[in-house]
Amino acid sequence: NAGVMQNPRHLVRRRGQEARLRCSPMKGHSHVYWYRQLPEEGLKFMVYLQKENIIDESGMPKERFSAEFPKEGPSILRIQQVVRGDSAAYFCASSPPQNSGNTIYFGEGSWLTVV
Amino acid sequence: GQSLEQPSEVTAVEGAIVQINCTYQTSGFYGLSWYQQHDGGAPTFLSYNALDGLEETGRFSSFLSRSDSYGYLLLQELQMKDSASYFCAGGRGSTLGRLYFGRGTQLTVWP
Repeated sequence: NAGVMQNPRHLVRRRGQEARLRCSPMKGHSHVYWYRQLPEEGLKFMVYLQKENIIDESGMPKERFSAEFPKEGPSILRIQQVVRGDSAAYFCASSPPQNSGNTIYFGEGSWLTVV
Repeated sequence: GQSLEQPSEVTAVEGAIVQINCTYQTSGFYGLSWYQQHDGGAPTFLSYNALDGLEETGRFSSFLSRSDSYGYLLLQELQMKDSASYFCAGGRGSTLGRLYFGRGTQLTVWP
C-alpha cells in the first residue's frame, strides 16, 4: 500500500519563476494537508483540502500561493513568482475521512531551492 | 496563539532512557501527537494521546496531562537509529489534521 507520494523531491527555481508541487494521498485518504518546514524549525500548517474543496487555508500566504485538490489527479501546491524566502521543504500529508486520532501521514517532502 | 515548547536537543548513549518534554499554551487542544523525523526525511507518526495518561508502543511511550498542558515522549533501550528530531504536535478538534508543531528536539544517541 503506497504511502503519500510527492514529486518532485527536489526543485530548483530562479526568482520570479513558478513552482508546482504535487501530492498523491495514501489510498483511501480523502483529506490532504500541506505543511512548510524551514531549516531547524517545526512544520507550519499551510492548507487543508478535500476533493474539490479548500477546507482551511488560514496558513497560506495571502499572495503567490495557491492549492487545489481536483476530483481527478494529485493535489497541487503552486507558488508563483518565487522568492528566496520560499526556499523550504514542503510536506504533504493525508488522512482518512474518519480521522478521530488527529493522525496524519506525511510524504517524503519536496525541497524547493530558489536561486 | 498556539505554542508548544520542547528542548532543542538531547543526547544519550545506547541502551539508555530519554524523556522529551513538551509544554503547550493553547486553548481547545485535542490531544498531543509525537512525530519522528530523520534528516531529509518525512515526519513519521509515533504516538497520540487523546486522554490523560500513558500510551505505550514498544520502546516508545507517551504521556499527557491536559490539566498541566504537558506531555512527554519516553524512549527506552535507545539505539543509534533513534538519532533524529522529535516533534510534539497538538491539534484542535474543530480542525482535524491541522497540527501545531513544536520546533523539535534533536536527539543524538552515542555508542
